[in-house]
Amino acid sequence: NFMLTQPHSVSESPGETVTISCTRSSGTIATNYVQWYQQRPGSAPTTVIYEDNQRPSGVPDRFSGSIDSSSNSASLTVSGLKTEDEADYYCQSYDSSNRVVFGGGTKLTVL
Amino acid sequence: QVQLQESGPGLVKPSETLSLTCTVSGDSISTSYWSWIRQPPGKGLEWIAYIYHSGSTNYNPSLQSRVTISLDTSKNQFSLKLSSVTAADTAVYFCAKGGNWFDPWGQGALVTVSS
Repeated sequence: NFMLTQPHSVSESPGETVTISCTRSSGTIATNYVQWYQQRPGSAPTTVIYEDNQRPSGVPDRFSGSIDSSSNSASLTVSGLKTEDEADYYCQSYDSSNRVVFGGGTKLTVL
Repeated sequence: QVQLQESGPGLVKPSETLSLTCTVSGDSISTSYWSWIRQPPGKGLEWIAYIYHSGSTNYNPSLQSRVTISLDTSKNQFSLKLSSVTAADTAVYFCAKGGNWFDPWGQGALVTVSS
C-alpha cells in the first residue's frame, strides 16, 4: 500500500496564505481522489475538500484543493487566514482495493 | 441533516472484545457506505473498516483479523467489534457516513483499554 506524507506543522499570520502538501509514496496521486479534513481540538473532523478540489456547502472559498502530478502530491491552500482556521488538517485517499489511507496530519498555527 | 452517534463501553479489559454501535438519524443505512475510524490520543486518524448497505465489507489489513463490522437495518445502526484488544487500541472511535471519504462524522467515543 502507499503512504501520504504531510508536514508536521505549518504556521502563518492572519490574512496570509498557507499551503499544506500531501505526497503520495507510490502510485499516481491522480488515480484516486484526495480529501482534506479539518479537526479542531476536542472535535470530530469535518470535510473541507473532497474529490481533489470540491468544497462542501458551507466551507468558505478561502479553502481550495489541487493535485500536482509532477510532485505526486495534493495541496490544501487556505487564503486570508483567520484565527479560526487554526486546527489539524488531514489528507486522505484510497487504493485500488478501496482501502482508505490518511496522511499523518498537519498542525496549522495562525500566529 | 444526517447525524451519527457512537455508543458503547468506555473501558475494556485487555484481551477482551471492544464493541461500539453507531446510531444514524436523518438518513437510512439501507443506502450508502458506513465506516469506522479511530484516533489514538494525540495521534492521527486510522481507518478501520467500512460496510455497504448490501452487507459487503472492507477492512484495514492491519486490523482485519480482529475486526467485524455489521449493520442492523431495523434499528438504523451499524456496529464495530474489535477482539483481543491491547493498550494500543486505546483511542477515540468515530463512525462516519461514506466509504472512500467521510461526511459527516459522529462526535467520537473514547475507549480505554486497561485492567
